[in-house]
Amino acid sequence: DQQVKQNSPSLSVQEGRISILNCDYTNSMFDYFLWYKKYPAEGPTFLISISSIKDKNEDGRFTVFLNKSAKHLSLHIVPSQPGDSAVYFCAATLLSGNTGKLIFGQGTTLQVKP
Amino acid sequence: DVKVTQSSRYLVKRTGEKVFLECVQDMDHENMFWYRQDPGLGLRLIYFSYDVKMKEKGDIPEGYSVSREKKERFSLILESASTNQTSMYLCASSSPGQKLTDTQYFGPGTRLTVL
Repeated sequence: DQQVKQNSPSLSVQEGRISILNCDYTNSMFDYFLWYKKYPAEGPTFLISISSIKDKNEDGRFTVFLNKSAKHLSLHIVPSQPGDSAVYFCAATLLSGNTGKLIFGQGTTLQVKP
Repeated sequence: DVKVTQSSRYLVKRTGEKVFLECVQDMDHENMFWYRQDPGLGLRLIYFSYDVKMKEKGDIPEGYSVSREKKERFSLILESASTNQTSMYLCASSSPGQKLTDTQYFGPGTRLTVL
């Protein structure tokens, strides 16, 4: 049972345009969400996160939106750059559970074309 | 900066061999994790540990065991490697004291091929 789903395996956008990566979750108890970026032959690195008490968090070119009623979050990258080409994983956790355990989605491969 | 290192970047083993994957972190983190990454399946948690000598099963523990004798080191053991354990293995660490983030810091990964 996949509790966190990224239904688009890949996304291709032109440099300078907006990239929108989507993520759905099934467990309404999740209260914290994170996005990680992974380059080939490297481990994932933390990108941005959002608490369930917020609906938006912004960090430079990266913005994460959370729609709790739809159990959906999205990552917007504006403007997209070729260096953003990577695999993006969303993850969810239950902070109140205090386990530090993250549930990851399948990942979306983003390609930004020059 | 947090540093998580893994003993090998690439490893080739034969079916039935015992395999040890080592992970070391230098930030005194309490939590450590082992994942495997497979195409279309994302990162799946194998085992995690809250503290020395503590371990908890993740989502796919079958065929694996772990050891945490020291806080900074978390080992993943494949008792008898099989071809379906060919994968990218990622180690991560985190500290429950980190403010709200539960951010996990990952090592570079070990690409294991079992022939």
